[in-house]
Amino acid sequence: QVQLVQSGAEVKKPGASVKVSCKTSGYTFTGHDISWVRKAPGQGLEWMGWISSFSGDTTYAQQFQGRVTMTKDSSTATAYMELRSLTPDDTAIYYCARDRESFGKHFDYWGQGTLLTVSS
Amino acid sequence: DIQMTQSPSSLSASVGDRVTITCRASQSITRYLNWYQHKPGKAPELLIYAASTLQTGVPSRFSGSGSGTDFTLTISSLQPEDFATYYCQHSYRSLSFGQGTKVEIK
Repeated sequence: QVQLVQSGAEVKKPGASVKVSCKTSGYTFTGHDISWVRKAPGQGLEWMGWISSFSGDTTYAQQFQGRVTMTKDSSTATAYMELRSLTPDDTAIYYCARDRESFGKHFDYWGQGTLLTVSS
Repeated sequence: DIQMTQSPSSLSASVGDRVTITCRASQSITRYLNWYQHKPGKAPELLIYAASTLQTGVPSRFSGSGSGTDFTLTISSLQPEDFATYYCQHSYRSLSFGQGTKVEIK
């Protein structure tokens, strides 16, 4: 069965960086792009960007450009999201999600979420 | 960027009620519109894609309609497990979510 398993919770200080992993299984990794979505307390879902699991090409949401890097390792079927220059506003649950690759981007399987807390 | 506006932001309803949530795009997105359910402590779940196609395994009380700029998610008979926050999401040339609609128990 399709699974996306994310790395564990993180606590970071302002100005630091975090790298979250998303290990996939149960399907052909290179056949589906991976997006990253976050949910901050009291806020809605916010799309951060996506990475082509085939080519490694990336597209980032404008508000994260210059601060986020998405990468992948096809040998381990794992996607990564690194966010730099953290502030308390980055405190959120971060999700990876698989693109179903049918009529535009929509996400049929999700990771369990990784809680990031940014605090001094 | 295309803006997605959901209404209402929240609603109170009873089990068995028919519930309708609206999502409006700032420009035409044809049918590149999806709906998700999100419960606290869980990952979001895809309900509807391409405006009206029910994702496999989703109960038939959920339905979607619309095209262009105006879209609707309908729950025909609200069940206890349906109390959650619902989000629309477009993927027409870019991608973004609506601000969410919280469905609460009346």
